[in-house]
Amino acid sequence: SQQGEEDPQALSIQEGENATMNCSYKTSINNLQWYRQNSGRGLVHLILIRSNEREKHSGRLRVTLDTSKKSSSLLITASRAADTASYFCATGYTSGTYKYIFGTGTRLKVLA
Amino acid sequence: GAGVSQSPSNKVTEKGKDVELRCDPISGHTALYWYRQSLGQGLEFLIYFQGNSAPDKSGLPSDRFSAERTGGSVSTLTIQRTQQEDSAVYLCASSLLTGQETQYFGPGTRLLVL
Repeated sequence: SQQGEEDPQALSIQEGENATMNCSYKTSINNLQWYRQNSGRGLVHLILIRSNEREKHSGRLRVTLDTSKKSSSLLITASRAADTASYFCATGYTSGTYKYIFGTGTRLKVLA
Repeated sequence: GAGVSQSPSNKVTEKGKDVELRCDPISGHTALYWYRQSLGQGLEFLIYFQGNSAPDKSGLPSDRFSAERTGGSVSTLTIQRTQQEDSAVYLCASSLLTGQETQYFGPGTRLLVL
């Protein structure tokens, strides 16, 4: 079963608005990463947050991690049409070897 | 420098045929992952290579799937006797050391089994 579940599954906003996506997971993690995917092909890494961190920023991106609630959120501020994509969280954990489990993604559409 | 490359970009095959998908990771990256993504879905872990250690094959869906990594670099994912449900995008990713860092993804191979 999927470790990470994103919420909402789809989000449509106007350009300039903020977009918030959430990710919940089930087991203890080493880190959590957010990726963007355009047109169903390769994923682009956005940001990595480690289990001992609570918040990270990168440009217009802000990620929070709450390990007590086993959840993370990705905030994109001042969205642009170019931000239209699918966004995935990936939880990194150790089970024998090191693995990442990807969520089902949030499809974001930013309207110009 | 070059990123992760995958070939072919697209592959159409007939049910029952074997296919080979290739991944060239970033030079020097010791960790390599294969994932499968069905239409509109998330990524499904298939197999993980880390240096010279035995690969983690726990995600392979059946014994028709196998993968190898030669010389710690190029990897090949082989699907034998393909089925229609194997149709998906197959993504390869590499990372520098243990896999506990950023994964760099290739563009994927879109496989269609008729």
